[in-house]
Amino acid sequence: DTAVSQTPKYLVTQMGNDKSIKCEQNLGHDTMYWYKQDSKKFLKIMFSYNNKELIINETVPNRFSPKSPDKAHLNLHINSLELGDSAVYFCASSQVTARSQRGLYEQYFGPGTRLTVT
Amino acid sequence: KNEVEQSPQNLTAQEGEFITINCSYSVGISALHWLQQHPGGGIVSLFMLSSGKKKHGRLIATINIQEKHSSLHITASHPRDSAVYICAVGATSGSRLTFGEGTQLTVNP
Repeated sequence: DTAVSQTPKYLVTQMGNDKSIKCEQNLGHDTMYWYKQDSKKFLKIMFSYNNKELIINETVPNRFSPKSPDKAHLNLHINSLELGDSAVYFCASSQVTARSQRGLYEQYFGPGTRLTVT
Repeated sequence: KNEVEQSPQNLTAQEGEFITINCSYSVGISALHWLQQHPGGGIVSLFMLSSGKKKHGRLIATINIQEKHSSLHITASHPRDSAVYICAVGATSGSRLTFGEGTQLTVNP
């Protein structure tokens, strides 16, 4: 059983298009994340949702809009794609419980979506 | 300067060698994570630790909170250990992870 799944795995599109990446987790976790991994393999947080509520929003262009219809899903919609958006996008989930345990959580990653903008 | 620094960036070893990858961080943390990313791209969490030492098979992770330093050791390395190893820290405020730039490990037969 796949814990964190993403679709599509590969996405090739032209500049200016709008595209979405979907993420689903069946772990019952309450927090989900989107990360971007650039060509140098550096991972950076983009967004985080806890129980459908946005809790982390890094300095990401507002062409990127996350949507969480329920706590098992976190989708990423990208408008007006640019060449610099080419990267691998990873979804992850974790169970962030009590305030005292903040940070003591294991994250489970999806397989990644390789986005290529031409 | 990154909040999380890893060394070395690249490491090549012969099968059977003992491997050490280091991670230093500059922020207060609740936990430190070691992740493994295989050539296929998937990311797997190896360890999450907030003190002391953890062991899983041939992998050992240690952390020194006072020195803000962690090490990942691989004993009796094998070509299948070839991957990128990423250190990440969970800050004391909030649930985000901040990542190091990763260490590319290649183990030759």
